[in-house]
Amino acid sequence: QQQVKQSPQSLIVQKGGIPIINCAYENTAFDYFPWYQQFPGKGPALLIAIRPDVSEKKEGRFTISFNKSAKQFSLHIMDSQPGDSATYFCAARDKAAGNKLTFGGGTRVLVKP
Amino acid sequence: EAEVAQSPRYKITEKSQAVAFWCDPISGHATLYWYRQILGQGPELLVQFQDESVVDDSQLPKDRFSAERLKGVDSTLKIQPAELGDSAMYLCASSLSPGKADTQYFGPGTRLTVL
Repeated sequence: QQQVKQSPQSLIVQKGGIPIINCAYENTAFDYFPWYQQFPGKGPALLIAIRPDVSEKKEGRFTISFNKSAKQFSLHIMDSQPGDSATYFCAARDKAAGNKLTFGGGTRVLVKP
Repeated sequence: EAEVAQSPRYKITEKSQAVAFWCDPISGHATLYWYRQILGQGPELLVQFQDESVVDDSQLPKDRFSAERLKGVDSTLKIQPAELGDSAMYLCASSLSPGKADTQYFGPGTRLTVL
């Protein structure tokens, strides 16, 4: 059962473009939504995270938009660079389940020079 | 910068053999997680420890997988016997404590190939 649905599976943009990755969830017990960045052969690294009482959060060139009523959230990468080419995972935490993280399926982003 | 350590980084084994992976979490992190990541998919939790106690192993195939964290610090994940379908990346993560910190820090993973 996929509790966090992520789209698209892959994305190609030119340098400077704005890749947008979307995630949707059903479980209203989720209370924290992190995004992880993973390079080939490496473990995921926390990029940015948001709580459902906030509609938007920015950290550098990365922005999360959160729509609680629609149970959707998205990651925008502003002024994307070739070094941003990686796989991005959204996740959702169920605090009532020991802080268990449920991950989306991932989006492979390629930023062309 | 403190990191989660894992070894080996790569493991190739034949089916029906036993394999073991080791994880050393960030110092002071009470919570330790083992995940399995199949190529092209997101990580899936196998087992979660709080100190030396298992708090969630509902997704751990207990007929062949075992995990321990005897002294509440480092941890070992074992598969016996390995099957072809076990080929995946095995990731270890740690966090300060479920009630106090949100961030799970991941290690580099162990890439397992079962032939």
